[in-house]
Amino acid sequence: AQTVTQSQPEMSVQEAETVTLSCTYDTSESDYYLFWYKQPPSRQMILVIRQEAYKQQNATENRFSVNFQKAAKSFSLKISDSQLGDAAMYFCAYRSSNKYIFGTGTRLKVLA
Amino acid sequence: EPEVTQTPSHQVTQMGQEVILRCVPISNHLYFYWYRQILGQKVEFLVSFYNNEISEKSEIFDDQFSVERPDGSNFTLKIRSTKLEDSAMYFCASRPGLPSYNEQFFGPGTRLTVL
Repeated sequence: AQTVTQSQPEMSVQEAETVTLSCTYDTSESDYYLFWYKQPPSRQMILVIRQEAYKQQNATENRFSVNFQKAAKSFSLKISDSQLGDAAMYFCAYRSSNKYIFGTGTRLKVLA
Repeated sequence: EPEVTQTPSHQVTQMGQEVILRCVPISNHLYFYWYRQILGQKVEFLVSFYNNEISEKSEIFDDQFSVERPDGSNFTLKIRSTKLEDSAMYFCASRPGLPSYNEQFFGPGTRLTVL
């Protein structure tokens, strides 16, 4: 069965600095999709970025980028120029067939 | 921009009562999902629904749970006899049919409190 591990329960970053959130996963599948979702205090799940496993190029979305290492089964999220509004829980998710498997989340604090 | 909506935002019920959580997925989406998040824990998959039937369900989704798409727009989750441990945030999500990489779009969630 697939598993997703986020080893950092909490991270802090100074405003305007860069932070990297870690995610590793385990799977025997060769074709799959990975996602990072943001959950602010409102608890709405908001998509941050998506990566298709068959693509070698790392996905980028404005200040958000990933470091996807397929062989190592690692999918970290880098947030550049951190803003106060980035403060939230961040969940890494693996899409297996028709469902998401989520990690336990990393709470990101942004310090002014 | 179209979005998934859920009602109610907060439901309080007594243990043993039936509850129905409602969701309106995005109109042209074909796949529908329910997830649950117990406070402070990760989001867990409950069930997926496609072509008017369950396509996959988790161990959590036992006989106390059922889903229905009664009228082509609503997608409901029913818990027949609620238990204290059913207290959680319940998220509905939907996804278009194609392309296959499309992400799931989540609703704002319903907080269920079982007393």
